[in-house]
Amino acid sequence: GAVVSQHPSRVICKSGTSVKIECRSLDFQATTMFWYRQFPKQSLMLMATSNEGSKATYEQGVEKDKFLINHASLTLSTLTVTSAHPEDSSFYICSARDWWQAGGKQETQYFGPGTRLLVL
Amino acid sequence: DQQVKQNSPSLSVQEGRISILNCDYTNSMFDYFLWYKKYPAEGPTFLISISSIKDKNEDGRFTVFLNKSAKHLSLHIVPSQPGDSAVYFCAASSIYNFGNEKLTFGTGTRLTIIP
Repeated sequence: GAVVSQHPSRVICKSGTSVKIECRSLDFQATTMFWYRQFPKQSLMLMATSNEGSKATYEQGVEKDKFLINHASLTLSTLTVTSAHPEDSSFYICSARDWWQAGGKQETQYFGPGTRLLVL
Repeated sequence: DQQVKQNSPSLSVQEGRISILNCDYTNSMFDYFLWYKKYPAEGPTFLISISSIKDKNEDGRFTVFLNKSAKHLSLHIVPSQPGDSAVYFCAASSIYNFGNEKLTFGTGTRLTIIP
């Protein structure tokens, strides 16, 4: 149980185009989803937190107009990188948790396999 | 500002021996710590955690030690097995973020178990 999928697993796009990444919780309802970004040899950096049905909360330094997050259902969140540029090339990982089932335990945050984005 | 640091990017250990992975943090508000394991092309999976009210937590071959005064924690794996070869991330959180549990990750340590 507690499987999180991401699609696509990797994407190559031209500079200036927009890319949408999907994150799905397959066997549980994700009241909260998190989006992370990881640059080579660096840690996973939290970009934003989204609760189902409400606007995402972005971390300091993350442009909300560039990284559009939608969490319209309890099993799906999307991250759209708008007008992507080469510096947006990175590994994007989502995680999901069911807050009610978690009982406040941090470890009940399940990660997707990640999406590698390359912007040419 | 790297609030969670893993100063060893890589570690090689002989099979059967003890693997010790270290993690340091700077934010005194952190009070809950987790270790995640990550294989290539997969997302991190939870391994073990510890609350700041404890100084040790054990789960099978895995033990996490917390030294609050030194703001240091370590993960011990004994005996190490080839399947333990992966990247290990230390992560920290705070109850003051309850309801919005953000994890702050370290940069990871790549553990290689030598058969």
